[in-house]
Amino acid sequence: DGGITQSPKYLFRKEGQNVTLSCEQNLNHDAMYWYRQDPGQGLRLIYYSQIVNDFQKGDIAEGYSVSREKKESFPLTVTSAQKNPTAFYLCASSISPYYSPLHFGNGTRLTVT
Amino acid sequence: KQEVTQIPAALSVPEGENLVLNCSFTDSAIYNLQWFRQDPGKGLTSLLLIQSSQREQTSGRLNASLDKSSGRSTLYIAASQPGDSATYLCAVRPNYGGATNKLIFGTGTLLAVQP
Repeated sequence: DGGITQSPKYLFRKEGQNVTLSCEQNLNHDAMYWYRQDPGQGLRLIYYSQIVNDFQKGDIAEGYSVSREKKESFPLTVTSAQKNPTAFYLCASSISPYYSPLHFGNGTRLTVT
Repeated sequence: KQEVTQIPAALSVPEGENLVLNCSFTDSAIYNLQWFRQDPGKGLTSLLLIQSSQREQTSGRLNASLDKSSGRSTLYIAASQPGDSATYLCAVRPNYGGATNKLIFGTGTLLAVQP
C-alpha cells in the first residue's frame, strides 16, 4: 500500500543535540511538507518542497533544516538553535503543490529535555 | 491575515445523531478548503477537499459545504457512530493572486460519539 512513513514514532533527545526526523513516501508525489503541531494550536508549516533539490521556508523555519535529494525522502533536522523543539511533527505530501489534497504520515513525537 | 476558527472546540453526541461541525475563515480569497480527521497520537486523514468554485462535496456519510462569500464551511456527519470519535480539522489554502503552498489550519473540534 502506498503511504507516508515517519520514523521513529517517539524520539527523546537532550537539549543541545541535533536530531533528524525521517519521512519517506511511495506515492510518487512531487510536493512534500513538514508541519509542527502543539496543543491548542493549529498546525504550522516549517518547510515545504515542490520538487527534488528545491525547498522553501514556511512560517516557523528558524532552528530547522531540510534536504530533498530524492523524490521519496524529505528529512527534517531539528537543530540546537530551535528554542522549543518538543512537539508533534507531521510530514505530508501531495501530487501537486496547489490543487490536490494533502496526505499525512503518522507523526513523530519529539521530546527534548 | 487569514485566520481559521472552529467552534465548538469539543462536542459530545449520542450514537445515531446527525451532526454539523463548523469552520469559519476571515478572508474569502481561498483556493480550496480541506477537512481532515485526526485520531489521538496519529497523523491527519484527508476526508474531503472542496475547490473554491464548488459548493459541496460528499463521501459516504460525510458532506462538506463551502460558502466562500460568508467565510464558512460545514462538515455534516450523518448517523454518527462511535468510530467517528476523533478531532476534525479544517484548513484553507489562501489565494494570493494564485494558489499558495501554505494551508492555514483551524485548531479542530474534538468529537465524541457516545454508544
